[in-house]
Amino acid sequence: KQEVTQIPAALSVPEGENLVLNCSFTDSAIYNLQWFRQDPGKGLTSLLLIQSSQREQTSGRLNASLDKSSGRSTLYIAASQPGDSATYLCAVSTGFQKLVFGTGTRLLVSP
Amino acid sequence: DGGITQSPKYLFRKEGQNVTLSCEQNLNHDAMYWYRQDPGQGLRLIYYSQIVNDFQKGDIAEGYSVSREKKESFPLTVTSAQKNPTAFYLCASKGGVWAYGYTFGSGTRLTVV
Repeated sequence: KQEVTQIPAALSVPEGENLVLNCSFTDSAIYNLQWFRQDPGKGLTSLLLIQSSQREQTSGRLNASLDKSSGRSTLYIAASQPGDSATYLCAVSTGFQKLVFGTGTRLLVSP
Repeated sequence: DGGITQSPKYLFRKEGQNVTLSCEQNLNHDAMYWYRQDPGQGLRLIYYSQIVNDFQKGDIAEGYSVSREKKESFPLTVTSAQKNPTAFYLCASKGGVWAYGYTFGSGTRLTVV
């Protein structure tokens, strides 16, 4: 059974810091991995999608890497801003109908 | 703009009552999904549908029912058999092949009163 773990569960940093969020999964047989952002009481916003054959994806200040063989992904946020404060969720796709989520990292960026 | 619309945003249910959550998408996606989110837990899959008039149970389907009569719509009914329905419900859709990612709606918060 695929399990997804995100570390740390919570993170508090001052504005301007570069930071790394970690995601690990137990079964390397994935199709892709997706990072989402969730603001309190809101739905999920897709940030980055990495196919199993890819090593990384970049969007603006965000960079996500994938090491399928070791079951790890990292989300790198450069020059963090207070507007980045949210919960970040990692999810792996193990088939057309199955998306398995981690429990998320709650990020607070203080001015 | 293409997207997923969930309604209502907040819903209150009395004991023993069935309620229906709406999910509509204009992305022309074949697959649609319902997830439940509880504090401190990851999202859990309730039901999914890969095509009109077909749907399958997810990990926590007991106490829930769905229908898929139109490609754009995938309503979820929370029945009185669901003993702990208070949660945040999220609807998602996905394009036709595994390479595409998922798109989520803004969610419905259901509270039992």
